[in-house]
Amino acid sequence: AQTVTQSQPEMSVQEAETVTLSCTYDTSESDYYLFWYKQPPSRQMILVIRQEAYKQQNATENRFSVNFQKAAKSFSLKISDSQLGDAAMYFCAYRSNRDDKIIFGKGTRLHILP
Amino acid sequence: DGGITQSPKYLFRKEGQNVTLSCEQNLNHDAMYWYRQDPGQGLRLIYYSQIVNDFQKGDIAEGYSVSREKKESFPLTVTSAQKNPTAFYLCASKGIGRTNTGELFFGEGSRLTVL
Repeated sequence: AQTVTQSQPEMSVQEAETVTLSCTYDTSESDYYLFWYKQPPSRQMILVIRQEAYKQQNATENRFSVNFQKAAKSFSLKISDSQLGDAAMYFCAYRSNRDDKIIFGKGTRLHILP
Repeated sequence: DGGITQSPKYLFRKEGQNVTLSCEQNLNHDAMYWYRQDPGQGLRLIYYSQIVNDFQKGDIAEGYSVSREKKESFPLTVTSAQKNPTAFYLCASKGIGRTNTGELFFGEGSRLTVL
């Protein structure tokens, strides 16, 4: 069975600095998607970024980028120029292309220090 | 506007009672999902459905039941067999097919409290 592990329950970063959130996963599949979702205090889940496993190039979305290491089964999220609005829970997620099952890690709560 | 609607937003129930959480989407998505969120536990998958009249158990299906009679609707029943049902429940949907990116679209959630 697939698993997703986020080893950092909480992190803090100074405003305008860069922070990296870690995510590792376990799977025997070769074709899958990985995602980072953000959950602000409103609890509305928002997609931050996605990565297709067969693409070697790391995905980027403005200030958000990933470091995807397929062999190591690692998928970290880098947030550059951190802003107060980035404060939220961040969840890493794995989607199986075989059965469409989507599972999440336990999340990392990110605090932005002014 | 297209989206996912969960109701009720807050629900209280007594021990031993079944309760049904509603999830409706007008995004024309084929797949729908139910997750449970507890502090420190992340989102745990309860059930999911890729097509009408078919659904699969997730990692914590015990004490829950679902139905998928219509494409737009995927109600979740929390039965009295669920030993610790107090939690925040999230419903989500997505399209399917090889061109689909797999992004989940979420409702605003339902908070269930057992008294």
